[in-house]
Amino acid sequence: DIVMTQSPDSLAVSLGERATINCKSGRSVLYPSNNKNYLAWYQLKPGQPPKLLIYWASTRESGVPDRFSGSGSGTDFTLTISSLQAEDVAVYYCHQYYTTPYTFGQGTKLEIK
Amino acid sequence: QVQLQESGPGLVKPSETLSLTCTVSDGSINNYYWNWIRQPPGKGLEWIAYIYNSGTTTYNPSLKSRVTISADTSKNQISLKLNSVTAADTAVYYCARLGLSYVSGSYKGFDQWGQGILVTVSS
Repeated sequence: DIVMTQSPDSLAVSLGERATINCKSGRSVLYPSNNKNYLAWYQLKPGQPPKLLIYWASTRESGVPDRFSGSGSGTDFTLTISSLQAEDVAVYYCHQYYTTPYTFGQGTKLEIK
Repeated sequence: QVQLQESGPGLVKPSETLSLTCTVSDGSINNYYWNWIRQPPGKGLEWIAYIYNSGTTTYNPSLKSRVTISADTSKNQISLKLNSVTAADTAVYYCARLGLSYVSGSYKGFDQWGQGILVTVSS
């Protein structure tokens, strides 16, 4: 299994400030045939299903605000929220769909400072 | 926009079989990977299985001996059966679609999710 490790486990950021979440995979999730990282980021709020924010490590899903961005390749990835809004309070998960069993990070809880 | 809705009993007794259905609306289930994922209370997300075009299935090895995923294209439904359940199987169960970019032909993560259904295993 590819182990996904996120850091930190929790994070408190002031409104308008930058939030950064890291994700490390146990092995590369870069698909050689198309040079895409099969790495996604989701936002999970209580009582709601996960929402896809970023796929291919850095491509924003349609409708996702541009304050959300993803970066990284291979085994090291980052989700950045450039200017934290109150509605961004949630748990964030990275996810590899490079190979089965698909696996998720343990989650990072983002709060307002 | 495709919509997914999970249904099934919210309470299952230990040692019995958990059976859930995901009904897909406003879109065909053909040519997509349909997945079941769960989240135990206070814990993270765990992928359970997928099915593709009603025939290709893949399971998480941690659950493989107890899980069956199937599809009914006539009803546009995906089903999950988990047998010999214990309290550790208490979770919110989601069905989700592995999205596909038609521009690049590459998969993009789970882009459509059902609302989820809480299943409690208790006598």
